[in-house]
Amino acid sequence: AQKVTQAQTEISVVEKEDVTLDCVYETRDTTYYLFWYKQPPSGELVFLIRRNSFDEQNEISGRYSWNFQKSTSSFNFTITASQVVDSAVYFCALSDNGGGADGLTFGKGTHLIIQP
Amino acid sequence: DSGVTQTPKHLITATGQRVTLRCSPRSGDLSVYWYQQSLDQGLQFLIQYYNGEERAKGNILERFSAQQFPDLHSELNLSSLELGDSALYFCASSARQGRETQYFGPGTRLLVL
Repeated sequence: AQKVTQAQTEISVVEKEDVTLDCVYETRDTTYYLFWYKQPPSGELVFLIRRNSFDEQNEISGRYSWNFQKSTSSFNFTITASQVVDSAVYFCALSDNGGGADGLTFGKGTHLIIQP
Repeated sequence: DSGVTQTPKHLITATGQRVTLRCSPRSGDLSVYWYQQSLDQGLQFLIQYYNGEERAKGNILERFSAQQFPDLHSELNLSSLELGDSALYFCASSARQGRETQYFGPGTRLLVL
């Protein structure tokens, strides 16, 4: 069965520090997709990135970057020069072909606190 | 703003009652998903509809049911409510089915007293 593990329950850093959120996944499928979502204090879930299992290129979007490594089944997320507005809960999610469903399997989330 | 709308934003009800949560997907999206977020279970996939047809079930209780209407909006019905059903219920939509990006609505916060 598919599984997503975010071992870091909570991370607290001072503004302008770089921070990396870890995500490790398990799946038996060779074709799958990985996602990151952000949940700010207001509660909505905001899509950040989608990556398929055949594309191992790292991605950078502004201060955000993602490192996908199939060899270690990891899809880590780095925020460079963190800002207070980055404070949120971040979820890693997996979509594979488990049971034919397209529903996402989420990790437990990492609560990121950026202190001014 | 994801383009997915959910009503109501908040709902307070009593045990044993029945409620209906409503979701309108993004314009043009055919798939609708329902998720439950609770402190103990985290974010869990409940059910998916595609173009009016049920496509897949996740961890959905038998007391819960859903449907997607011809105009593609969806409703999640929760009956015989228990205290443990208190949670944030999200609806998400995607253009088609099959590993596409799901865009989430703002959620409905349900409190069962």
